[in-house]
Amino acid sequence: DAKTTQPPSMDCAEGRAANLPCNHSTISGNEYVYWYRQIHSQGPQYIIHGLKNNETNEMASLIITEDRKSSTLILPHATLRDTAVYYCIVRARNYGGSQGNLIFGKGTKLSVKP
Amino acid sequence: DSGVTQTPKHLITATGQRVTLRCSPRSGDLSVYWYQQSLDQGLQFLIQYYNGEERAKGNILERFSAQQFPDLHSELNLSSLELGDSALYFCASSVEPHSGNTIYFGEGSWLTVV
Repeated sequence: DAKTTQPPSMDCAEGRAANLPCNHSTISGNEYVYWYRQIHSQGPQYIIHGLKNNETNEMASLIITEDRKSSTLILPHATLRDTAVYYCIVRARNYGGSQGNLIFGKGTKLSVKP
Repeated sequence: DSGVTQTPKHLITATGQRVTLRCSPRSGDLSVYWYQQSLDQGLQFLIQYYNGEERAKGNILERFSAQQFPDLHSELNLSSLELGDSALYFCASSVEPHSGNTIYFGEGSWLTVV
């Protein structure tokens, strides 16, 4: 079972920041937080991941709370092409085995509106 | 483009038949993963290989099998096909199974069983 809780859907106005929350209250110290998105039955696309510190790349920012029980993915200037299902996944740090795999939940369907 | 190549992109076959889906991982990636996505089940992890050896099994049916070859490409074999096997099948790859290594997905193979 997925170890994360995400809202099923969210709306965002084009050009505004999209803030997607994720609860992972049972996360352990050796687990990463990963974010992927899937645009209309295309292959899931990697966005960003982090362990403890906040992370930023060309696509998004990841803010992880100090207790690591929740995180927020921020798309700074959402466009219509960002409409997708966003998945927050916790992934064990252990080398090999099924714990290193990605276990997808239902994600958040983000709709960016003009 | 993630660098993971899957063939065929679309496949229609009859119940009871057998099909083979092929995956070429990103250059340099040793680990391959297979996922199934059907309308009512979401993204389900099937099986993982690392450098030719099976590393982890998920919800893979006994009618399904996979292997990773010495050149690191992988094949997923689906036999005695049923209508319920109609789904998108994704292959993904990473350098190693370590969860600090990002997993990248291909664009999938659409299987329709009629």
